[in-house]
Amino acid sequence: GEDVEQSLFLSVREGDSSVINCTYTDSSSTYLYWYKQEPGAGLQLLTYIFSNMDMKQDQRLTVLLNKKDKHLSLRIADTQTGDSAIYFCAEESPYNQGGKLIFGQGTELSVKP
Amino acid sequence: GAVVSQHPSRVICKSGTSVKIECRSLDFQATTMFWYRQFPKKSLMLMATSNEGSKATYEQGVEKDKFLINHASLTLSTLTVTSAHPEDSSFYICSARELPRGRGGTGELFFGEGSRLTVL
Repeated sequence: GEDVEQSLFLSVREGDSSVINCTYTDSSSTYLYWYKQEPGAGLQLLTYIFSNMDMKQDQRLTVLLNKKDKHLSLRIADTQTGDSAIYFCAEESPYNQGGKLIFGQGTELSVKP
Repeated sequence: GAVVSQHPSRVICKSGTSVKIECRSLDFQATTMFWYRQFPKKSLMLMATSNEGSKATYEQGVEKDKFLINHASLTLSTLTVTSAHPEDSSFYICSARELPRGRGGTGELFFGEGSRLTVL
């Protein structure tokens, strides 16, 4: 079945780059997403990448996709304390009814001043 | 951008009562809505997929009679937790997928802000 895995914690210093990694198992995934969740809040879509792309850059965010290894990463440049949150990767497959998303466990990013 | 509104955002109830949570797409029509449950510091667990005008499709292990889902219109889905117990306390999040491009929408997926249920 579908499975998405992430490391649970990441701690960086303010100004450094953060790299959050994700692996997935469903080779038919069409879209892969990164969401941010702040304490007590819902999900905020950060960015997404289509499966035929290797990289996508959006301001401080860079997404890299290695489809062969089913590995996705999110790089946050110049990480700020406001970036502290839980980051979820999620995959979507056209074969999942209605396009449901399967989420990873979430990576808690802690940014120290 | 498109907004998905959940109501109530927080609810506290006594054990044995039923609680209804609404999920509305405010400025778009949604063919499909998804209900997720999230435990503290945990991932989102998909509970069910709800399509307008038809019965919801529940994920394995989710009790249909416990978590009643109704998707009465293209802008509203409701989740009713029946006879709630403390173990039902959780953060419930809905998401709504806009109509596909062929039907005048974008097909994008939007999330609500979540509803925190506490059962005493």
